[in-house]
Amino acid sequence: AQSVTQPDIHITVSEGASLELRCNYSYGATPYLFWYVQSPGQGLQLLLKYFSGDTLVQGIKGFEAEFKRSQSSFNLRKPSVHWSDAAEYFCAVGGPGTDKLIFGTGTRLQVFP
Amino acid sequence: DAGVIQSPRHEVTEMGQEVTLRCKPISGHDYLFWYRQTMMRGLELLIYFNNNVPIDDSGMPEDRFSAKMPNASFSTLKIQPSEPRDSAVYFCASSIGIPHEQYFGPGTRLTVT
Repeated sequence: AQSVTQPDIHITVSEGASLELRCNYSYGATPYLFWYVQSPGQGLQLLLKYFSGDTLVQGIKGFEAEFKRSQSSFNLRKPSVHWSDAAEYFCAVGGPGTDKLIFGTGTRLQVFP
Repeated sequence: DAGVIQSPRHEVTEMGQEVTLRCKPISGHDYLFWYRQTMMRGLELLIYFNNNVPIDDSGMPEDRFSAKMPNASFSTLKIQPSEPRDSAVYFCASSIGIPHEQYFGPGTRLTVT
C-alpha cells in the first residue's frame, strides 16, 4: 500500500541553523515526490518536486531535497533557517497509475531567534 | 493567474444548517480535489474530479456531504445538515494532468456550533 511517514511531529531549531526534515515513503513503482509548506492560516504551497532524473532537487525559499531510492526517503534540507520558515511541512507521494497524492501527517517547525 | 479561489474564507453556522463551500480552480486545470484538515485526522482527501466528473468520492464521510462540479471553473462542497464534528478547514486544490502537482486554495474555516 502507498504511504508516507514523517517521523518527526515537531522540530525546533535556532535561526541560522541547518535543517533536515525526514520523509519515508512506500510506493510500488517509481514515485513522484513533493514537499509542501503550510504557514498558519494558509493553504499548502509547493516547495519542490521530484519526478525523475537528478536525485537532488532544488526548490523555492532555499530548500532542497534528495531522493534516495535505496532508503525510500525524500528528506528536505535547508542550510540556514530563517524565522519566516516556521510552518508545517508536508511530504507527499504520487505516481503513474494514480490520480491522488498521499500526504504525510506533517512536521511542525519552530524557529527560535 | 489568481490561483485557486475559495469562498467563504470563514463560515460559522449552527448545527443542522446547510453549508455550501465554493471553489474556483486555476484556469486550464483538469483535476479538482477537496480536502478536509483537522488536528485529529490531519489532511484527508474527500473527493476529486477529472474534467468535471467525480472520480473517487470514497473519502466523503457521510451522505450529508455532497460535491458537484457543474463546469470547469466552479465546484461546490455541500454539507446538509451540518454537525459540530464537521468543524475543520476545507481546502480545494487543482492540478493539470499527471503527475499531480497540486495547487491549493487558502481554505475555508468552518465552525459548526
